[in-house]
Amino acid sequence: GENVEQHPSTLSVQEGDSAVIKCTYSDSASNYFPWYKQELGKRPQLIIDIRSNVGEKKDQRIAVTLNKTAKHFSLHITETQPEDSAVYFCAATHSGNMLTFGGGTRLMVKP
Amino acid sequence: KAGVTQTPRYLIKTRGQQVTLSCSPISGHRSVSWYQQTPGQGLQFLFEYFSETQRNKGNFPGRFSGRQFSNSRSEMNVSTLELGDSALYLCASRAFREMNTEAFFGQGTRLTVV
Repeated sequence: GENVEQHPSTLSVQEGDSAVIKCTYSDSASNYFPWYKQELGKRPQLIIDIRSNVGEKKDQRIAVTLNKTAKHFSLHITETQPEDSAVYFCAATHSGNMLTFGGGTRLMVKP
Repeated sequence: KAGVTQTPRYLIKTRGQQVTLSCSPISGHRSVSWYQQTPGQGLQFLFEYFSETQRNKGNFPGRFSGRQFSNSRSEMNVSTLELGDSALYLCASRAFREMNTEAFFGQGTRLTVV
């Protein structure tokens, strides 16, 4: 089955700095890679996703890159703000498979 | 459009008891997945249902079971509760059969086993 590893588990940055979270996956058949943000006491919410036919995707301050050959993908947050503080989860799957999540990264943005 | 609704929000049960959790997906969504979230293990997949059929099952003991009704609402049951079953149980619904589409999560049911 799929195995997703996520690093770092904790990340502390100063407001305005960039944050990068990295994930690796094991199943070469995986073709969908979503990122979820979970604020304290709230449900996980999709913030961005990427499919294997695309190498990079951006949405305002958030971007995701995918390297299919190396089987890793990364989340980039620029100009971080205190409201970006949350736990971020990466995940991987293909059409018939269950969604497998990474272990999560607790991002703390210090004002 | 209403989001994914889970009931109850909080539950306290005693070891050895059994519990049933409910998930109502977004209207029109036929795929429902269940996850267990704990501080140490992250989000662990339990099972997934589509059109009343279980399609995938995670690596959990047989004490964990589920079902889906014709209106796509889903329930999960945990029998003979253990202390280690204390967790946040999340369900997620999808509009499509394919797993590589967006999943919308409910707010979860926080289960505490004492």
